[in-house]
Amino acid sequence: DTEVTQTPKHLVMGMTNKKSLKCEQHMGHRAMYWYKQKAKKPPELMFVYSYEKLSINESVPSRFSPECPNSSLLNLHLHALQPEDSALYLCASSQRRLANTGELFFGEGSRLTVL
Amino acid sequence: QKEVEQDPGPLSVPEGAIVSLNCTYSNSAFQYFMWYRQYSRKGPELLMYTYSSGNKEDGRFTAQVDKSSKYISLFIRDSQPSDSATYLCAMSGNNQGGKLIFGQGTELSVKP
Repeated sequence: DTEVTQTPKHLVMGMTNKKSLKCEQHMGHRAMYWYKQKAKKPPELMFVYSYEKLSINESVPSRFSPECPNSSLLNLHLHALQPEDSALYLCASSQRRLANTGELFFGEGSRLTVL
Repeated sequence: QKEVEQDPGPLSVPEGAIVSLNCTYSNSAFQYFMWYRQYSRKGPELLMYTYSSGNKEDGRFTAQVDKSSKYISLFIRDSQPSDSATYLCAMSGNNQGGKLIFGQGTELSVKP
């Protein structure tokens, strides 16, 4: 079982809804990440938090709003999404800051459908 | 040209075959080379990690890095149906700011 837990596993929302994705890790990792993955494509980096501070924002639209309440939790707040935002949203964590070594631990993902 | 090139497949092999998966890259600054395995509807899991050039073996899996040719490989010996998954190569370097550069992923199917 993965040590990065994501909820919910599935989410269906309308374009006017506000929802949140949640991620939790208890490995003592100090960097956490949000990735977006479309079918048959590799994961695309969205945000990186290092020591609870946002360190990378890959020019993600403001309808996606990340939040890191503490070193174990990472949220992604969703508002006014578009159907093309439908994808698998993956949370990951790493022991070392910014994971230059690439040793990321991924959760199972939250599958989002925007109607 | 993409920084990392990986044939998306699909690749279908019989059980027990030796599988060879490959990626090429263009950025000579990459130092860390990873292979992730992703089962359908699951998140990727780190399978192999190699720093710089050389070989690394873990059970039925062997990862090879040839920095002079900018080419990495993953070999799977005695492949099993449970190896059916998408295999993603990924790379990074000290000047990447913590970003992993993924290949497209190769979809592998091992038939019983």
